[in-house]
Amino acid sequence: KQEVTQIPAALSVPEGENLVLNCSFTDSAIYNLQWFRQDPGKGLTSLLLIQSSQREQTSGRLNASLDKSSGRSTLYIAASQPGDSATYLCAVRNTDKLIFGTGTRLQVFP
Amino acid sequence: GAGVSQTPSNKVTEKGKYVELRCDPISGHTALYWYRQSLGQGPEFLIYFQGTGAADDSGLPNDRFFAVRPEGSVSTLKIQRTERGDSAVYLCASSREGGGTGELFFGEGSRLTVL
Repeated sequence: KQEVTQIPAALSVPEGENLVLNCSFTDSAIYNLQWFRQDPGKGLTSLLLIQSSQREQTSGRLNASLDKSSGRSTLYIAASQPGDSATYLCAVRNTDKLIFGTGTRLQVFP
Repeated sequence: GAGVSQTPSNKVTEKGKYVELRCDPISGHTALYWYRQSLGQGPEFLIYFQGTGAADDSGLPNDRFFAVRPEGSVSTLKIQRTERGDSAVYLCASSREGGGTGELFFGEGSRLTVL
């Protein structure tokens, strides 16, 4: 059974710092991995999708890497801003459904 | 529509009542998913539709939960004899295709509160 773990559970940093959020999964036979952002009381916004054949994806200040063999992904946020404050969820797909971690709650203060 | 649309956004009901939650996926997306999210947790899979048929309903917690997608577009999640433990945010997602490689796009969710 696939299990997804995210570390840290919560993170509070001053504006401008570069951040690394970690995601690990137990079954490396995945189709892809997706990172989401969730604001309080809102749905999920897709940030990055990495297919199993890819090593990383970039979008603006966000970079996600995937090491399938070791069951790990990292989300790198450069030059963090208060608007980045949200919960970040990692999800992996090795069947017809996504399996989610419990998320990292990020707060960036001015 | 431009995104996945879910109604109602909020639903408060009494224990034992029947509830329907609606999802309108992105136009042209053949795959549709229902998830449930409890406070402080990641979303948990309920059911997946490919077209009109439920391809995987392994996440439905019991027979009080049922979902349909009769025309391969809009889906309705139905909960009978609601219990307080059913209180959660119910999220719907769609994907251009099923089969494992497509990107999922989520709606804003329907927050269900059972008193």
